[in-house]
Amino acid sequence: EAGVVQSPRYKIIEKKQPVAFWCNPISGHNTLYWYRQNLGQGPELLIRYENEEAVDDSQLPKDRFSAERLKGVDSTLKIQPAELGDSAVYLCASSLRSGTEQYFGPGTRLTVT
Amino acid sequence: AQRVTQPEKLLSVFKGAPVELKCNYSYSGSPELFWYVQYSRQRLQLLLRHISRESIKGFTADLNKGETSFHLKKPFAQEEDSAMYYCALTVRPNSGGSNYKLTFGKGTLLTVNP
Repeated sequence: EAGVVQSPRYKIIEKKQPVAFWCNPISGHNTLYWYRQNLGQGPELLIRYENEEAVDDSQLPKDRFSAERLKGVDSTLKIQPAELGDSAVYLCASSLRSGTEQYFGPGTRLTVT
Repeated sequence: AQRVTQPEKLLSVFKGAPVELKCNYSYSGSPELFWYVQYSRQRLQLLLRHISRESIKGFTADLNKGETSFHLKKPFAQEEDSAMYYCALTVRPNSGGSNYKLTFGKGTLLTVNP
């Protein structure tokens, strides 16, 4: 079992460009989370999915961020346009259901120049 | 609002010495506390949760509701314990429903020297 898979692992873009991150959760895990981790901080939840439904997106900056989880499996997080302050590690996690142990992916390190 | 505070950004101990990583929290509801660990070049993983009341890799943590603390302790540190440790909190509102938002502290980097 590969665990939670994320790609790309690293991404460097110029500000105002779009960027997308992809996550494949552990098979059978209904709940999927996207976190953002700024340098020197702990992860902060952006959005939580239960199957294909976004049940908590209160922390997602909706003016430039969007996410989808088609068919309740893989998920994509998009930023358009990216700003310098978006530089961070974006983590995906999954769990069997909400409230159970979360398993984290390796993260995508985004640098916006 | 729920908040987790880890007052030490860095903690350095010698092998065999006791180690305590501090965590304090604020909450409005019934808290569930966790410790996560991230070893060098590895992904973030759960170390232990207070409801399990178990010892993992020699680490224990006791939830002290009076002091709103959940300190992580190990009596004899090992070099392989060197890692980034995050305390995290989930709160379930008294009003029912569910809120599985995991709130993390900023982390403590533990270095165990030989």
